[in-house]
Amino acid sequence: KAGVTQTPRYLIKTRGQQVTLSCSPISGHRSVSWYQQTPGQGLQFLFEYFSETQRNKGNFPGRFSGRQFSNSRSEMNVSTLELGDSALYLCASGPTGAGRETQYFGPGTRLLVL
Amino acid sequence: GQQLNQSPQSMFIQEGEDVSMNCTSSSIFNTWLWYKQDPGEGPVLLIALYKAGELTSNGRLTAQFGITRKDSFLNISASIPSDVGIYFCAGQMAGTASKLTFGTGTRLQVTL
Repeated sequence: KAGVTQTPRYLIKTRGQQVTLSCSPISGHRSVSWYQQTPGQGLQFLFEYFSETQRNKGNFPGRFSGRQFSNSRSEMNVSTLELGDSALYLCASGPTGAGRETQYFGPGTRLLVL
Repeated sequence: GQQLNQSPQSMFIQEGEDVSMNCTSSSIFNTWLWYKQDPGEGPVLLIALYKAGELTSNGRLTAQFGITRKDSFLNISASIPSDVGIYFCAGQMAGTASKLTFGTGTRLQVTL
């Protein structure tokens, strides 16, 4: 079974631009969560999607948004990029995102904002 | 955002030594998890704990869920070079299974 895949793996953008990251969950998984990882703040929960609906949300500004498609693939978008958005963005998938499920993480997309 | 307090922040140990790290929180969690992250990879689940006081092993790894539900520890016995990496604890509250609150991480380096 293929793992969680994220594309692209690396990305360089400039301030003010917007970016879209993609996550394909493990086949059959319907829950996709997104995390931001930075040296200063560590791993922070962004949001979770299940069945095309945002189910949980972390404390990030509205510039961070996401969506999920009917095949469970998810995208996250960051508009008006700031230098502080430079981070490793990780997504994780689970069958339902509930109960005692294991969340499987992808390798991440490393975003550098110049 | 909230982060759990994890200690030590980093440690150098010799191959064969035992390692101990712990994680504390001001909040109560229903589930405690321990992950390991290798460079260029996402975190991989090592151990999951679901009940206060629970002690669980996975090979050379042993973890415990604190009685107060606000802390957990991880022990690695007889460390080997492939144990190198960053270890994270994570807490999960009831009803938010996919929303994890992570610790600050412990960087483990093993010298031969």
